[in-house]
Amino acid sequence: EIVLTQSPGTLSLSPGERATLSCRASQSVSSSYLAWYQQKPGQAPRLLIYGASSRATGIPDRFSGSGSGTDFTLTISRLEPEDFAVYYCQQYGSSPPTWTFGQGTKVEIK
Amino acid sequence: QLQLQESGPGLVKPSETLSLTCTVSGGSISSSSYYWGWIRQPPGKGLEWIGSIYYSGSTYYNPSLKSRVTISVDTSKNQFSLKLSSVTAADTAVYYCARQRYSSGWASGWGQGTLVTVSS
Repeated sequence: EIVLTQSPGTLSLSPGERATLSCRASQSVSSSYLAWYQQKPGQAPRLLIYGASSRATGIPDRFSGSGSGTDFTLTISRLEPEDFAVYYCQQYGSSPPTWTFGQGTKVEIK
Repeated sequence: QLQLQESGPGLVKPSETLSLTCTVSGGSISSSSYYWGWIRQPPGKGLEWIGSIYYSGSTYYNPSLKSRVTISVDTSKNQFSLKLSSVTAADTAVYYCARQRYSSGWASGWGQGTLVTVSS
């Protein structure tokens, strides 16, 4: 079973700053199977990034994903007020199909 | 436009079975391009995958919940359902249904979620 560890647990930043969120897998993950989600209070998660680096439909280009193997990163280039939220990485295991989430990183206003 | 809507009791007694249904509109549950899954989130905690089903009826469950979970699909109603047996307070959570891309797993459509509380 692959475990995803996200760091930091909480990121305190100001609007306009750059956010760098990490997702580390306990064993190598195919980039095709790594996704990132944003969740705001009281809302369902929203897909941001799939395939480690592809932005989902309607996602602003200030969001970018990178990484391979066991280390993946979500970067928000310049934080907007609406970006303060919790972010989750998720991995898909294909044989058999399983889904695993990281524990989340909260991006809060400093 | 794809929409998913969870429905079912918001309160379940300990030891009983939690039953939820997800109704899909704006897309066919019979599509070969997607799995249909259930994910839950205890209050103040993170996301936990419960299980998923393919339109063919093939099911995949979280090993930690497998003994208590049954997911089924009704293609005629464009719905899929979750049953979780022998619930305890630890099963109190917001339950989401989601559409998950076949062969890559990312979930591009989510229901709004429904809070299920386990309490006597």
